[in-house]
Amino acid sequence: KQEVTQIPAALSVPEGENLVLNCSFTDSAIYNLQWFRQDPGKGLTSLLLIQSSQREQTSGRLNASLDKSSGRSTLYIAASQPGDSATYLCAVPSRNTPLVFGKGTRLSVIA
Amino acid sequence: SAVISQKPSRDICQRGTSLTIQCQVDSQVTMMFWYRQQPGQSLTLIATANQGSEATYESGFVIDKFPISRPNLTFSTLTVSNMSPEDSSIYLCSVGSDPPPNNEQFFGPGTRLTVL
Repeated sequence: KQEVTQIPAALSVPEGENLVLNCSFTDSAIYNLQWFRQDPGKGLTSLLLIQSSQREQTSGRLNASLDKSSGRSTLYIAASQPGDSATYLCAVPSRNTPLVFGKGTRLSVIA
Repeated sequence: SAVISQKPSRDICQRGTSLTIQCQVDSQVTMMFWYRQQPGQSLTLIATANQGSEATYESGFVIDKFPISRPNLTFSTLTVSNMSPEDSSIYLCSVGSDPPPNNEQFFGPGTRLTVL
């Protein structure tokens, strides 16, 4: 059964700092990995999708990497801004469910 | 990407009542998914809704409690029946860009339900 773990659970950084969020999964036989952003009480916004054949994907200040063999992914946020404050979730599809989610990292960027 | 809307965006309900949540997608999709996110927790899949057939429920979720309709390829409803405070959650619908498992998933804005 696929399990997804995200570390740290919460992170507080000053504005402008670069930061890394970590995601690990137990079953490395994945098709892809997806990173989402969730604002409090809201739905999910898809940030990046990495296919299993890819090593990384970039969108603006966000860069996600994937090491499938070790069961790890990182989300790198450059030059963080207060507007980046949110919960970041990673998720992978499993055989029987479209997505298995981690519990998320709650990010606070302090101005 | 798909654009998904949900109604209502939030509601406060009394114990023992039922609430029906609507999900509308701007394109035709084969599968629609319903998730629950309890306070402080991550998302858990409730069921998969296919047009023209009964929904497939995950372990721990039953049709009597969470009946689902899927009348066409752009619309689905989830009903939370005989509610209790433990049903207080955000309920989200989602769709994939292609049939799973190798696809990108998109989510609606969620319905925030509080049961008193």
